[in-house]
Amino acid sequence: QVQLQESGPGLLKPSQTLSLTCTVSGGSISSGGYYWSWIRQHPGKGLEWIGFIYISGTTYYNPSLKSRPTISLDTSKNRFSLKLSSVTAADTAVYYCARATGGVLPQGAFNLWGQGILVTVSS
Amino acid sequence: DIVMTQSPESLAVSLGERATINCKSSQSVLFSSDNKNYLAWYQQRPGQPPKLLISWASTRESGVPDRFSGSGSGTDFTLTISSLQAEDVAVYYCQQYYNTPRTFGQGTKVEIK
Repeated sequence: QVQLQESGPGLLKPSQTLSLTCTVSGGSISSGGYYWSWIRQHPGKGLEWIGFIYISGTTYYNPSLKSRPTISLDTSKNRFSLKLSSVTAADTAVYYCARATGGVLPQGAFNLWGQGILVTVSS
Repeated sequence: DIVMTQSPESLAVSLGERATINCKSSQSVLFSSDNKNYLAWYQQRPGQPPKLLISWASTRESGVPDRFSGSGSGTDFTLTISSLQAEDVAVYYCQQYYNTPRTFGQGTKVEIK
């Protein structure tokens, strides 16, 4: 079955750019019908949607993050990525990649999640 | 943004008893063109990622025990665990996918009394 796995550095300094990758196994990211997503969870807190991308390259982002995130696809490696610029301590969180169903428009819940990766921002 | 508000923040229920979690959205998540509620429920056990339990407000995902049920429409929704089991100890979140930004409730922690 399809699985998602996050990877990337676990420790960053303030002002750096967070860069995470989600590798998709057991299925093709190019097949369509899904929005590939990033969601984060601050320690001991609730869930915050960051954004998602469709195979067409269409992206949606959470305006609360003020143009800092960029989500991209790498179909040759069957993975997608998140870059979050100018990080601060407030970006310390567990970052999850996830998959939502959809077509021309994103229309489904997040029905598949990675295990998550803790990213700490500290000087 | 659609604000999702859950109640209670936590509840303790005896094994075998019913647990009820409420979720209220700040605007309707019922899409008139297809008459579907764009509302999901997730379970997050300690140290685990969230797991989708219910979509479209009341459709259980494959493999989810039938003691979990979702109800409601428009702005008011309920997740019911009919007979609480030890493995149901978790935090439960509602989430709207009616529009972006996608938003989640703050979570309800379910414990054993």
